[in-house]
Amino acid sequence: GENVEQHPSTLSVQEGDSAVIKCTYSDSASNYFPWYKQELGKRPQLIIDIRSNVGEKKDQRIAVTLNKTAKHFSLHITETQPEDSAVYFCAADKYGNKLVFGAGTILRVKS
Amino acid sequence: GAVVSQHPSRVICKSGTSVKIECRSLDFQATTMFWYRQFPKQSLMLMATSNEGSKATYEQGVEKDKFLINHASLTLSTLTVTSAHPEDSSFYICSAGAGSTDTQYFGPGTRLTVL
Repeated sequence: GENVEQHPSTLSVQEGDSAVIKCTYSDSASNYFPWYKQELGKRPQLIIDIRSNVGEKKDQRIAVTLNKTAKHFSLHITETQPEDSAVYFCAADKYGNKLVFGAGTILRVKS
Repeated sequence: GAVVSQHPSRVICKSGTSVKIECRSLDFQATTMFWYRQFPKQSLMLMATSNEGSKATYEQGVEKDKFLINHASLTLSTLTVTSAHPEDSSFYICSAGAGSTDTQYFGPGTRLTVL
């Protein structure tokens, strides 16, 4: 089955700096890669996603890149703000079968 | 956007009792609903996938007789934790997919505490 690894487990950045979180997946048939932000005690919220026919997608300060050959994808947050502090999860999915999540990254943005 | 609700948000029960959690898609029909469990400081672990009108598919290691799932309509799925024990205490989250897309929309979660 699919296995998703996520790094780093924690990430501290200064406000205004960029943050990058990386994930690798094992199943080359996976074709959908969402990123979720979860604040303590709350639901995961989809912040951006990418499908396997696209190499990069951007939404304001957030971007995701996908390298199908290497089977890895990354989340990039620019100009970080304190409200970006949360746990971020990557996931991989195959034809809407089921999401397999990474272990999560605790992002702390220091002001 | 798509909204998924979950009820209750928080429940405390005694060991040995059963607890039912409801998951509803409010503004779309969910052909598939997923149930996850999340322990503190851990990731979301899929427990089971339910499709409307059919039996749920459980992940390896999840007891189907302990975690009963019913998906009787396109807007409602329920998870019943039977004979709950303290080790079942966790954050249970459902998600719903609309069928034509991979996107899953998550409910707000239910914090279960078994005493």
